[in-house]
Amino acid sequence: LAKTTQPISMDSYEGQEVNITCSHNNIATNDYITWYQQFPSQGPRFIIQGYKTKVTNEVASLFIPADRKSSTLSLPRVSLSDTAVYYCLVGGRNTPLVFGKGTRLSVIA
Amino acid sequence: DGGITQSPKYLFRKEGQNVTLSCEQNLNHDAMYWYRQDPGQGLRLIYYSQIVNDFQKGDIAEGYSVSREKKESFPLTVTSAQKNPTAFYLCASRGAGERWEQYFGPGTRLTVT
Repeated sequence: LAKTTQPISMDSYEGQEVNITCSHNNIATNDYITWYQQFPSQGPRFIIQGYKTKVTNEVASLFIPADRKSSTLSLPRVSLSDTAVYYCLVGGRNTPLVFGKGTRLSVIA
Repeated sequence: DGGITQSPKYLFRKEGQNVTLSCEQNLNHDAMYWYRQDPGQGLRLIYYSQIVNDFQKGDIAEGYSVSREKKESFPLTVTSAQKNPTAFYLCASRGAGERWEQYFGPGTRLTVT
């Protein structure tokens, strides 16, 4: 199972764009990159998933370079409610998702 | 509403007792998972099942047992053999269609004293 590396924590002010980068050097051909958000005492919530290039949805964008060895989650104009832990995972359809420690994002007013 | 339910939300047990955590889903998902989360840590995989009547050990299966007799249900038993059972337990399920991300339940916080 591919292992990911991401910053332990990040701080941001409200209204700023936040970019969280994840490294996954051993990603396999069939692996997708998925990001989850978790608030304290809650289950993680799916944010976005991609295979290559760029994916955008209503809450975030995911940038994946051609070599796929890293990815960047972009959160536009964060608010206090975006304070959470963000997990980057790689895996395929038939493999359980393996969670690292994630990135603890703190949004400051 | 479709989703995953875990009950109870909080559970207290005495050391030496077995306890079973419930997980039910009505999403018609084939695959189900159990994770454990300790304070300040990520999720660790305990067991998973990709089809009824079949399941596999995850990274930290020792001291736990599961069953998958029905597609909708994947109960987890924390046995007395589990050395440090106090934790937050999360159940998840995943479909096989176009959107195959894992959906998580609200979790059960188990405290063993």
